Amino acid sequence: EDQVTQSPEALRLQEGESSSLNCSYTVSGLRGLFWYRQDPGKGPEFLFTLYSAGEEKEKERLKATLTKKESFLHITAPKPEDSATYLCAVQATGGSYIPTFGRGTSLIVHP
Amino acid sequence: GAGVSQTPSNKVTEKGKYVELRCDPISGHTALYWYRQSLGQGPEFLIYFQGTGAADDSGLPNDRFFAVRPEGSVSTLKIQRTERGDSAVYLCASSRRDRGYQETQYFGPGTRLLVL
Repeated sequence: EDQVTQSPEALRLQEGESSSLNCSYTVSGLRGLFWYRQDPGKGPEFLFTLYSAGEEKEKERLKATLTKKESFLHITAPKPEDSATYLCAVQATGGSYIPTFGRGTSLIVHP
Repeated sequence: GAGVSQTPSNKVTEKGKYVELRCDPISGHTALYWYRQSLGQGPEFLIYFQGTGAADDSGLPNDRFFAVRPEGSVSTLKIQRTERGDSAVYLCASSRRDRGYQETQYFGPGTRLLVL
């Protein structure tokens, strides 16, 4: 069974204090790993897709990296508007297109 | 272009009533997914459509839940004899399924269902 574990559950940062969120996964074969941002009362907003170990993608203050067992979402010099829940999901090979989501990391950035 | 839309945004109903939740996917997206999200949890898969047919309904919790997509575009999630435990946010997502195209799902804003 595919499993996704995100840590920490919650993270409080001061504005400008860089940090990383972790997504550990267990899957028979990885088709893709997805990062989403979810604001309160909204649906998840797509950020990145990673397909193979060693791959990296960046968008503004966010950078996602992937190894064979985990992915990191690095946040550089965060701003209060980066406050949200960040969700990780994995999609396995083998025919099913159903991603398995983690519980998310709730990030609060204080000014 | 327009994103995934869902109606209603909020639905309050009484235990035992029937509800319908609607999803309008991104134009041209052939795959459509329904998820349920409880507070503090990630989205939990319910059902997946490829075109008009339900390709995978293994996530539906019981036979009170049913979904249709008659013309391969708009989908309706139907819940009969609602229970308080059905209270959650129901999310819809769509994706393109062209060969070789990345399987990224784009989500709607969700319908917040409260069963009293």
